Amino acid sequence: DGGITQSPKYLFRKEGQNVTLSCEQNLNHDAMYWYRQDPGQGLRLIYYSQIVNDFQKGDIAEGYSVSREKKESFPLTVTSAQKNPTAFYLCASSPRGGAGQETQYFGPGTRLLVL
Amino acid sequence: QKEVEQNSGPLSVPEGAIASLNCTYSDRGSQSFWYRQYSGKSPELIMSIYSNGDKEDGRFTAQLNKASQYVSLLIRDSQPSDSATYLCAVKDTGFQKLVFGTGTRLLVSP
Repeated sequence: DGGITQSPKYLFRKEGQNVTLSCEQNLNHDAMYWYRQDPGQGLRLIYYSQIVNDFQKGDIAEGYSVSREKKESFPLTVTSAQKNPTAFYLCASSPRGGAGQETQYFGPGTRLLVL
Repeated sequence: QKEVEQNSGPLSVPEGAIASLNCTYSDRGSQSFWYRQYSGKSPELIMSIYSNGDKEDGRFTAQLNKASQYVSLLIRDSQPSDSATYLCAVKDTGFQKLVFGTGTRLLVSP
């Protein structure tokens, strides 16, 4: 069954703690993305990666870090520097690196809450 | 910085009616996408449109006017299951990020 999986579904973070959100895809897509969604706001791009071992900052990268060691995996770490991390985090992928006529497909999301 | 504008709604229509959702964007854009998002769920693609004019898929019709920087989504024979938030997204050819609007909430009453 092809698709994008994200785990966990819910994640609780304590003050000063780093947490990592998992995103895995078995669609053989080259590009992967992380978005953040806050109530009443559109999706905002955190980081994206067009190929393995390369990634770029999006609009709101401060307080976040990523890695892309494998084509199918693009984990996102929310660091303690991110002062307002409560949000719905969405991972997406697209087939050929994002150029041309290409659609992004989304995983089910992780909801991060601060204790 | 491209901006995508949508009326937040809610847009209320009776079952069986046509729902019309609109989106305008600033700056150049050549590709538009409509995603549907149910409460608490992730966005799912409804339609993509790259050329000026209309594109139909079942009950859905997308209309793109690049000169006016306007894209719309028509939902015919609206059903209560269509009640969701509809996100408009726009990007340029070549790698450019996908810019999302804040979404329009659609309510279809039985």
